[in-house]
Amino acid sequence: AQTVTQSQPEMSVQEAETVTLSCTYDTSESDYYLFWYKQPPSRQMILVIRQEAYKQQNATENRFSVNFQKAAKSFSLKISDSQLGDAAMYFCAYRSALNAGNMLTFGGGTRLMVKP
Amino acid sequence: DAMVIQNPRYQVTQFGKPVTLSCSQTLNHNVMYWYQQKSSQAPKLLFHYYDKDFNNEADTPDNFQSRRPNTSFCFLDIRSPGLGDAAMYLCATSGPGRKEEQYFGPGTRLTVT
Repeated sequence: AQTVTQSQPEMSVQEAETVTLSCTYDTSESDYYLFWYKQPPSRQMILVIRQEAYKQQNATENRFSVNFQKAAKSFSLKISDSQLGDAAMYFCAYRSALNAGNMLTFGGGTRLMVKP
Repeated sequence: DAMVIQNPRYQVTQFGKPVTLSCSQTLNHNVMYWYQQKSSQAPKLLFHYYDKDFNNEADTPDNFQSRRPNTSFCFLDIRSPGLGDAAMYLCATSGPGRKEEQYFGPGTRLTVT
Protein backbone atom coordinates (compact mmCIF):
# COMPACT_ATOMS: atom_id res chain seq x y z
CA ALA A 1 0.00 0.00 0.00
CA GLN A 2 1.12 3.51 -0.71
CA THR A 3 1.77 6.03 2.04
CA VAL A 4 2.17 9.79 1.89
CA THR A 5 3.97 11.74 4.60
CA GLN A 6 3.96 15.46 5.24
CA SER A 7 6.50 16.09 7.97
CA GLN A 8 5.56 19.72 8.65
CA PRO A 9 2.25 20.04 10.54
CA GLU A 10 2.53 23.84 10.40
CA MET A 11 4.51 26.34 8.42
CA SER A 12 4.66 30.11 8.51
CA VAL A 13 5.75 32.58 5.84
CA GLN A 14 5.95 36.32 5.56
CA GLU A 15 3.79 37.87 2.88
CA ALA A 16 5.67 38.20 -0.45
CA GLU A 17 8.27 35.63 0.56
CA THR A 18 8.76 32.06 -0.61
CA VAL A 19 7.90 28.89 1.29
CA THR A 20 8.39 25.22 0.53
CA LEU A 21 6.12 22.47 1.82
CA SER A 22 7.54 18.96 1.98
CA CYS A 23 5.97 15.68 0.94
CA THR A 24 7.41 12.20 0.65
CA TYR A 25 5.67 9.06 -0.47
CA ASP A 26 6.29 5.38 -0.62
CA THR A 27 5.30 3.22 -3.58
CA SER A 28 6.57 0.31 -5.60
CA GLU A 29 4.80 1.54 -8.72
CA SER A 30 6.44 3.46 -11.56
CA ASP A 31 3.37 5.11 -13.05
CA TYR A 32 1.38 7.40 -10.81
CA TYR A 33 0.18 10.95 -10.24
CA LEU A 34 0.91 13.37 -7.46
CA PHE A 35 -1.23 16.29 -6.41
CA TRP A 36 -1.22 19.24 -4.06
CA TYR A 37 -4.65 20.28 -2.81
CA LYS A 38 -5.42 23.48 -0.91
CA GLN A 39 -8.20 23.69 1.69
CA PRO A 40 -8.78 27.23 3.00
CA PRO A 41 -10.61 27.62 6.32
CA SER A 42 -14.30 26.79 5.88
CA ARG A 43 -13.89 26.56 2.13
CA GLN A 44 -13.71 23.69 -0.28
CA MET A 45 -10.66 21.78 -1.31
CA ILE A 46 -9.21 22.75 -4.66
CA LEU A 47 -6.42 21.37 -6.79
CA VAL A 48 -3.28 23.49 -6.79
CA ILE A 49 -0.98 21.49 -8.99
CA ARG A 50 -0.53 18.04 -10.50
CA GLN A 51 2.56 16.06 -11.50
CA GLU A 52 2.66 12.99 -13.71
CA ALA A 53 5.39 10.60 -12.62
CA TYR A 54 6.50 9.82 -16.16
CA LYS A 55 7.27 13.49 -16.79
CA GLN A 56 10.67 14.65 -15.65
CA GLN A 57 9.80 18.31 -15.95
CA ASN A 58 8.52 19.86 -12.74
CA ALA A 59 4.97 21.20 -12.94
CA THR A 60 4.37 24.93 -12.55
CA GLU A 61 1.16 26.89 -12.07
CA ASN A 62 1.76 30.62 -11.74
CA ARG A 63 3.30 31.16 -8.27
CA PHE A 64 3.16 27.45 -7.45
CA SER A 65 5.79 24.98 -8.53
CA VAL A 66 6.92 21.54 -7.45
CA ASN A 67 10.25 19.85 -7.01
CA PHE A 68 9.61 16.26 -8.04
CA GLN A 69 12.42 13.85 -7.21
CA LYS A 70 11.21 10.45 -8.35
CA ALA A 71 14.18 8.45 -7.12
CA ALA A 72 13.95 10.05 -3.70
CA LYS A 73 10.12 9.80 -3.73
CA SER A 74 9.86 13.44 -2.83
CA PHE A 75 7.31 15.98 -4.05
CA SER A 76 7.65 19.42 -2.48
CA LEU A 77 5.52 22.48 -3.21
CA LYS A 78 7.08 25.91 -3.54
CA ILE A 79 4.90 28.98 -3.18
CA SER A 80 6.53 32.17 -4.41
CA ASP A 81 5.46 35.70 -3.54
CA SER A 82 3.16 34.39 -0.81
CA GLN A 83 -0.19 36.12 -0.43
CA LEU A 84 -2.61 36.28 2.49
CA GLY A 85 -5.03 34.17 0.47
CA ASP A 86 -2.51 31.33 0.41
CA ALA A 87 -3.21 30.64 4.09
CA ALA A 88 -4.79 27.18 4.18
CA MET A 89 -4.27 23.50 4.84
CA TYR A 90 -2.25 21.92 2.07
CA PHE A 91 -2.56 18.22 1.35
CA CYS A 92 -0.21 16.18 -0.76
CA ALA A 93 -1.89 13.24 -2.46
CA TYR A 94 -0.85 10.17 -4.46
CA ARG A 95 -2.82 8.30 -7.06
CA SER A 96 -1.81 5.12 -8.82
CA ALA A 97 -2.21 5.12 -12.59
CA LEU A 98 -3.56 1.58 -12.21
CA ASN A 99 -6.34 2.73 -9.96
CA ALA A 100 -9.57 2.58 -11.94
CA GLY A 101 -11.41 4.54 -9.28
CA ASN A 102 -8.88 7.40 -9.29
CA MET A 103 -8.66 7.12 -5.52
CA LEU A 104 -6.28 9.34 -3.61
CA THR A 105 -3.96 8.63 -0.72
CA PHE A 106 -3.55 11.82 1.28
CA GLY A 107 -0.76 13.01 3.51
CA GLY A 108 -1.60 14.38 6.93
CA GLY A 109 -1.58 17.99 5.77
CA THR A 110 0.44 21.13 6.45
CA ARG A 111 -1.21 24.24 7.83
CA LEU A 112 0.30 27.29 6.18
CA MET A 113 0.06 30.65 7.90
CA VAL A 114 0.89 33.85 6.04
CA LYS A 115 1.99 36.85 8.09
CA PRO A 116 1.25 40.34 6.79
CA ASP B 1 -20.48 26.61 -13.70
CA ALA B 2 -20.13 22.88 -13.39
CA MET B 3 -19.75 21.96 -9.79
CA VAL B 4 -20.22 19.63 -6.84
CA ILE B 5 -23.01 20.69 -4.48
CA GLN B 6 -23.57 19.44 -0.97
CA ASN B 7 -26.67 19.98 1.11
CA PRO B 8 -27.06 20.96 3.79
CA ARG B 9 -23.82 22.78 4.61
CA TYR B 10 -24.47 22.31 8.32
CA GLN B 11 -26.44 19.50 9.88
CA VAL B 12 -27.24 18.91 13.51
CA THR B 13 -28.62 15.55 14.57
CA GLN B 14 -29.24 13.77 17.82
CA PHE B 15 -27.32 10.80 19.05
CA GLY B 16 -28.78 7.70 17.41
CA LYS B 17 -31.11 9.59 15.04
CA PRO B 18 -30.61 8.66 11.37
CA VAL B 19 -29.34 11.40 9.11
CA THR B 20 -28.84 11.73 5.36
CA LEU B 21 -26.39 13.99 3.62
CA SER B 22 -26.73 14.70 -0.07
CA CYS B 23 -24.38 15.45 -2.92
CA SER B 24 -25.13 16.40 -6.48
CA GLN B 25 -22.89 17.17 -9.42
CA THR B 26 -23.22 18.86 -12.77
CA LEU B 27 -19.90 17.54 -14.10
CA ASN B 28 -21.41 14.29 -15.40
CA HIS B 29 -18.59 12.40 -13.71
CA ASN B 30 -18.98 8.67 -13.32
CA VAL B 31 -17.06 8.36 -10.06
CA MET B 32 -18.36 9.81 -6.78
CA TYR B 33 -16.66 9.64 -3.38
CA TRP B 34 -17.58 10.24 0.23
CA TYR B 35 -14.91 11.30 2.70
CA GLN B 36 -14.98 11.93 6.43
CA GLN B 37 -12.68 14.70 7.63
CA LYS B 38 -12.07 15.47 11.28
CA SER B 39 -10.50 18.67 12.47
CA SER B 40 -7.01 19.33 11.05
CA GLN B 41 -6.81 15.82 9.60
CA ALA B 42 -6.66 14.49 6.09
CA PRO B 43 -9.90 13.32 4.48
CA LYS B 44 -10.60 9.64 5.05
CA LEU B 45 -12.30 7.80 2.21
CA LEU B 46 -15.47 6.01 3.29
CA PHE B 47 -16.59 4.61 -0.07
CA HIS B 48 -16.94 5.42 -3.72
CA TYR B 49 -19.16 4.63 -6.66
CA TYR B 50 -17.71 3.80 -10.03
CA ASP B 51 -20.85 4.26 -12.10
CA LYS B 52 -23.33 2.09 -10.22
CA ASP B 53 -20.70 -0.12 -8.64
CA PHE B 54 -20.39 0.52 -4.91
CA ASN B 55 -16.93 0.17 -3.33
CA ASN B 56 -16.68 0.21 0.43
CA GLU B 57 -13.41 0.85 2.24
CA ALA B 58 -12.50 -2.03 4.54
CA ASP B 59 -12.54 0.06 7.70
CA THR B 60 -15.75 2.00 7.02
CA PRO B 61 -18.20 1.23 9.83
CA ASP B 62 -21.48 -0.52 8.95
CA ASN B 63 -23.22 2.52 10.38
CA PHE B 64 -22.40 4.35 7.15
CA GLN B 65 -24.32 3.54 3.98
CA SER B 66 -24.60 5.18 0.61
CA ARG B 67 -27.00 5.36 -2.29
CA ARG B 68 -26.55 6.60 -5.81
CA PRO B 69 -29.90 6.69 -7.60
CA ASN B 70 -28.49 8.28 -10.76
CA THR B 71 -25.29 9.79 -12.16
CA SER B 72 -25.91 13.20 -10.61
CA PHE B 73 -26.85 12.34 -7.04
CA CYS B 74 -25.23 10.46 -4.19
CA PHE B 75 -26.38 10.18 -0.58
CA LEU B 76 -24.60 9.34 2.64
CA ASP B 77 -26.79 7.73 5.28
CA ILE B 78 -25.64 7.46 8.87
CA ARG B 79 -27.99 5.00 10.51
CA SER B 80 -27.24 5.67 14.17
CA PRO B 81 -24.89 8.62 14.59
CA GLY B 82 -22.56 8.58 17.54
CA LEU B 83 -20.62 11.47 19.03
CA GLY B 84 -17.54 10.20 17.20
CA ASP B 85 -19.26 10.70 13.86
CA ALA B 86 -19.24 14.47 14.24
CA ALA B 87 -17.05 15.65 11.37
CA MET B 88 -16.97 17.34 7.99
CA TYR B 89 -18.23 15.09 5.23
CA LEU B 90 -16.84 15.77 1.80
CA CYS B 91 -18.24 14.61 -1.49
CA ALA B 92 -15.99 14.49 -4.54
CA THR B 93 -16.28 13.43 -8.15
CA SER B 94 -13.92 12.32 -10.87
CA GLY B 95 -14.06 11.38 -14.51
CA PRO B 96 -12.80 8.03 -15.75
CA GLY B 97 -9.61 9.16 -17.46
CA ARG B 98 -6.12 8.50 -16.17
CA LYS B 99 -5.39 12.19 -15.76
CA GLU B 100 -8.63 13.08 -14.04
CA GLU B 101 -8.44 14.97 -10.77
CA GLN B 102 -11.02 14.82 -8.02
CA TYR B 103 -13.38 17.77 -7.65
CA PHE B 104 -14.59 18.43 -4.14
CA GLY B 105 -17.80 19.88 -2.81
CA PRO B 106 -17.84 22.41 0.04
CA GLY B 107 -18.66 19.75 2.62
CA THR B 108 -21.38 19.23 5.20
CA ARG B 109 -20.40 19.80 8.81
CA LEU B 110 -22.25 17.30 11.00
CA THR B 111 -22.80 17.95 14.67
CA VAL B 112 -24.14 15.18 16.91
CA THR B 113 -25.80 16.25 20.15
